[in-house]
Amino acid sequence: AQSVTQLGSHVSVSEGALVLLRCNYSSSVPPYLFWYVQYPNQGLQLLLKYTSAATLVKGINGFEAEFKKSETSFHLTKPSAHMSDAAEYFCAVTPGTSGTYKYIFGTGTRLKVLA
Amino acid sequence: DTAVSQTPKYLVTQMGNDKSIKCEQNLGHDTMYWYKQDSKKFLKIMFSYNNKELIINETVPNRFSPKSPDKAHLNLHINSLELGDSAVYFCASSQGTGSGEAFFGQGTRLTVV
Repeated sequence: AQSVTQLGSHVSVSEGALVLLRCNYSSSVPPYLFWYVQYPNQGLQLLLKYTSAATLVKGINGFEAEFKKSETSFHLTKPSAHMSDAAEYFCAVTPGTSGTYKYIFGTGTRLKVLA
Repeated sequence: DTAVSQTPKYLVTQMGNDKSIKCEQNLGHDTMYWYKQDSKKFLKIMFSYNNKELIINETVPNRFSPKSPDKAHLNLHINSLELGDSAVYFCASSQGTGSGEAFFGQGTRLTVV
């Protein structure tokens, strides 16, 4: 069985500060991992994904994440927060094998950016 | 050109009514999903279809009946609506045999009064 844990349901950072959103996964098979962002009243938009290639993954809007197998983590970072980054962020996992029919999401982290 | 589109965006209805939500994707994907997002933003999979066949049914009440007339469409019909059905319902699609991400629609906010 697979699962995802996001530590911190709410994170506040000052504009220009480092953003760190935590995600730990559990998987019996090599996983594929994703970070999605959800702005108010909108659907989910992919930020980045890990699919067993490079362990440091760069995404849109300056975000990146590093897959660490030893720590079963896939934390999301951004060097400098912008007001427009305020949103809900979801980490998701799916089996890294053929026949992917289920994406399992974490409980989400709401990012607040302070002026 | 919207990749995954679902209609309607908002749905307000009374308890006991029956309603449908439609979803279409133009990405050529072979797998489609319905997710439910509750008031705490938790996303839970309800159903997944691969090539029009039901693959996953996550212990959803049988008042919920998905239908996939073809690979590009997955509709959700809900009978005898209850207050607890109020949520945002998301349709999504992906290429089931690939390593790609799921693409999501804009969501349908269902409010049962």
